[in-house]
Amino acid sequence: EAQVTQNPRYLITVTGKKLTVTCSQNMNHEYMSWYRQDPGLGLRQIYYSMNVEVTDKGDVPEGYKVSRKEKRNFPLILESPSPNQTSLYFCASSRVMGQGNSNQPQHFGDGTRLSIL
Amino acid sequence: LAKTTQPISMDSYEGQEVNITCSHNNIATNDYITWYQQFPSQGPRFIIQGYKTKVTNEVASLFIPADRKSSTLSLPRVSLSDTAVYYCLVGEATSGTYKYIFGTGTRLKVLA
Repeated sequence: EAQVTQNPRYLITVTGKKLTVTCSQNMNHEYMSWYRQDPGLGLRQIYYSMNVEVTDKGDVPEGYKVSRKEKRNFPLILESPSPNQTSLYFCASSRVMGQGNSNQPQHFGDGTRLSIL
Repeated sequence: LAKTTQPISMDSYEGQEVNITCSHNNIATNDYITWYQQFPSQGPRFIIQGYKTKVTNEVASLFIPADRKSSTLSLPRVSLSDTAVYYCLVGEATSGTYKYIFGTGTRLKVLA
């Protein structure tokens, strides 16, 4: 079954304690992305990756890091989490889109709810 | 960046047609418009995508005027299970950055 898997699904932690949210996809997609979702603000893109070893900032990258060492995995790293990073996080993947081509539909994981105390 | 604007919420009754409009004044020449549906505790799910005029699939239609500054998602004969948040998305492929800009979403509530 084609899917994007995020772990953990829920996490409560404290300020400053480094954490990693893993994301894995089994569709051989080149493009992967992280979003956060907050009430009244919709989905905002944090980071994205066009392919292995290629990452770039989205709209709200501050306080986050990512890596793309393998095609299927795209972990989100919070080196020193703060309460304003309490949010619902989604990982997504798709085939690569290019100029003149359609935006390839993104497949989303079920989300990770982070609470930073 | 092509920012999108949608109504915050809409109510409808079962069996009615629902039209949700999204404004994207700064859409770039090669950007496509994509709509997603999101249920509580789930990630967004692709509904439909288009570039211009009209696109129809088994669940929805998408109307895009010639100037492409807006688009309308049309859901025919909605049911209670269509209660969800609907997002309009415009890509950012032309700048080479491949950023995606989601709108804040429209919360559709279908009433019996």
